[in-house]
Amino acid sequence: DAKTTQPTSMDCAEGRAANLPCNHSTISGNEYVYWYRQIHSQGPQYIIHGLKNNETNEMASLIITEDRKSSTLILPHATLRDTAVYYCIALTNNAGNMLTFGGGTRLMVKP
Amino acid sequence: DGGITQSPKYLFRKEGQNVTLSCEQNLNHDAMYWYRQDPGQGLRLIYYSQIVNDFQKGDIAEGYSVSREKKESFPLTVTSAQKNPTAFYLCASSIAQGTGYTFGSGTRLTVV
Repeated sequence: DAKTTQPTSMDCAEGRAANLPCNHSTISGNEYVYWYRQIHSQGPQYIIHGLKNNETNEMASLIITEDRKSSTLILPHATLRDTAVYYCIALTNNAGNMLTFGGGTRLMVKP
Repeated sequence: DGGITQSPKYLFRKEGQNVTLSCEQNLNHDAMYWYRQDPGQGLRLIYYSQIVNDFQKGDIAEGYSVSREKKESFPLTVTSAQKNPTAFYLCASSIAQGTGYTFGSGTRLTVV
């Protein structure tokens, strides 16, 4: 699975959009980009995933560049409860592949 | 509601004792996983199971054991051979390997 690179930490003002970047320059054609988040002392929570088209759900939007070498997770109106560590993971939907969590981005939403 | 349940939430044990962490899911998922998380770190895979009566070692299996006698259950035993067992343990399940995971709320194990 491709390695992903994320900033260690980011701040965002409450009510503003939080844009979390992820680089995955070695991603292969059949690897999806998954985003999870982990609020302190809880299990990770699935947010969204995509292959090449932009995706949106009730939690967030995922923008994937045309060359698929990077992506951005957008939380349109961040709240204090969005403070968490956000993980970007590249993964093929094939048997034998594991979800591997790196360090992620620690997002701090401030009032 | 379907979900994955880990118990207990907090667990204290004396050094040298084996301890078993429970993980139960009613999502009808075939695959189940155990991860360990240390403070400020990412998740590391301990063991995983694709189907009943089958499981594989992950990256840090030494000092741990698992069983998968039922589809719904994947208990993890932390043995006395694990040199530094104090950590946050997370169980997850998925329909099949490679698809989105559902995580439990975790068990925080402290060995004194």
